[in-house]
Amino acid sequence: KQEVTQIPAALSVPEGENLVLNCSFTDSAIYNLQWFRQDPGKGLTSLLLIQSSQREQTSGRLNASLDKSSGRSTLYIAASQPGDSATYLCAVTTDSNYQLIWGAGTKLIIKP
Amino acid sequence: KAGVTQTPRYLIKTRGQQVTLSCSPISGHRSVSWYQQTPGQGLQFLFEYFSETQRNKGNFPGRFSGRQFSNSRSEMNVSTLELGDSALYLCASSLDGGLHQPQHFGDGTRLSIL
Repeated sequence: KQEVTQIPAALSVPEGENLVLNCSFTDSAIYNLQWFRQDPGKGLTSLLLIQSSQREQTSGRLNASLDKSSGRSTLYIAASQPGDSATYLCAVTTDSNYQLIWGAGTKLIIKP
Repeated sequence: KAGVTQTPRYLIKTRGQQVTLSCSPISGHRSVSWYQQTPGQGLQFLFEYFSETQRNKGNFPGRFSGRQFSNSRSEMNVSTLELGDSALYLCASSLDGGLHQPQHFGDGTRLSIL
């Protein structure tokens, strides 16, 4: 059974720092991995989607990497800003179905 | 282009009642998925509909059901509500639910059971 873990559960850093969020999964037979952000009381915004054949994806100040063999993904945020404060979730899609399996998220606080 | 729209945004019900939640996907999207989010269990997949057919289902009891209409709008129904059904219910749409496509989420319906 696929399990997704995100560590740490919460992270607080000063504005301007570069930071890394971690996501690990137990079964390497994934089709893709997605990173989302959730603001309080809101739905989820898709940030990056990495196919299993890819190693990384970039969007602006965000870079996500994927290492299937080790069951790990990282989300790198450059030059963090207070507006980056949110909960970041990763989710994997397995080969056999259409559902996303979610991590519990990392709550990120960027201090001005 | 309008995003995914969920109505209502908030609902308060009592135990034993039933509830229907609505989701309008992005125009042109034919796949709609539903998720439950709670502080204790996190996000859990409920079911996915494509072309009016339930294509995939998570591990929820039969009290949770859904349907999709010909215009791709979807409804989710929960009968005999329990306190543990209090949650944020999210729906997501994608073009055809293909595994290579990102899902686009609505802001959710927050359901509170008294």
